Amino acid sequence: QLQLEESGPGLVKPSETLSLTCTVSGGSITSSRHYWGWIRQPPGKGLEWIGSIYYRGSTYYNPSLKSRVTISVDTSKNQFSLKLSSVTAADTAVYYCARLDTRGWFDYWGQGTLVTVSS
Amino acid sequence: DIQMTQSPSSLSASVGDRVTITCRASQSISSYLNWYQQKPGKAPKLLIYAASSLQSGVPSRFGGRGSGTDFTLTISSLQPEDFATYYCQQSYSTPLFTFGPGTKVDIK
Repeated sequence: QLQLEESGPGLVKPSETLSLTCTVSGGSITSSRHYWGWIRQPPGKGLEWIGSIYYRGSTYYNPSLKSRVTISVDTSKNQFSLKLSSVTAADTAVYYCARLDTRGWFDYWGQGTLVTVSS
Repeated sequence: DIQMTQSPSSLSASVGDRVTITCRASQSISSYLNWYQQKPGKAPKLLIYAASSLQSGVPSRFGGRGSGTDFTLTISSLQPEDFATYYCQQSYSTPLFTFGPGTKVDIK
C-alpha cells in the first residue's frame, strides 16, 4: 500500500523559507503514470494546489505562488521536497503531499503537516 | 484561470437522506472534474474521478454526473460516516489545478 509522509519544521519565522519533504513508501517515485504534488490548507479554509513534479524533474507551479516555490525530487531516496520562500502569516497552513495521476487526480495523500509562520 | 464554485457552501441532512452537491466551472472543462471527501483533521480522500468514475473502495452510494461547466456529486442514502466536507477539483487545465471552495455536510 502506497504511503506518503510529510516531514519538516512546524514553525517558520516570517521572511524565512519553509522546507518540507515527502517520503514515499510502498511504491516508486519513478512511476511513469504519476506526478507528485503539494497542496495546502489554511486553518478553516479550502484546498490550494501549490505545485507538482515528475520524477524526471519537470515542475509545474500555481501562478499565484510561482515566484516563491521550488519543488525538487530525489529518486535515490524516493522523496520530493517543497521550498517556499519569504513566508508570511498567510502561509500558515496544513501542507499535504500527494500522488497525482497523469490524468489529473490526487489519489494518495500524506496525513498533512501543520506549518505555522510566526516570530 | 478556471474558477470553481460549489453550492451550497453547507447543508444539514439526516441519515438516509439523498444529498446532492453542485460544482460549477467558469468555463467548459469537459469531464475533467474530480471529487474529494475530507473529514476533520484528515487528508482529503478521492471519491470520484473524471466526473463519474468511482474510485476503488468507495461505496456505490456516491455518484458523480456532469460535463461542460456543471457537475453534481450525489450521496444516495447518507450514512453517519459521510458527514464531511466535499471538494471538487478541475483537471482540465492540467498541469495546473484548482479546487472548489468546499461543501460541508453536517447532521440535521
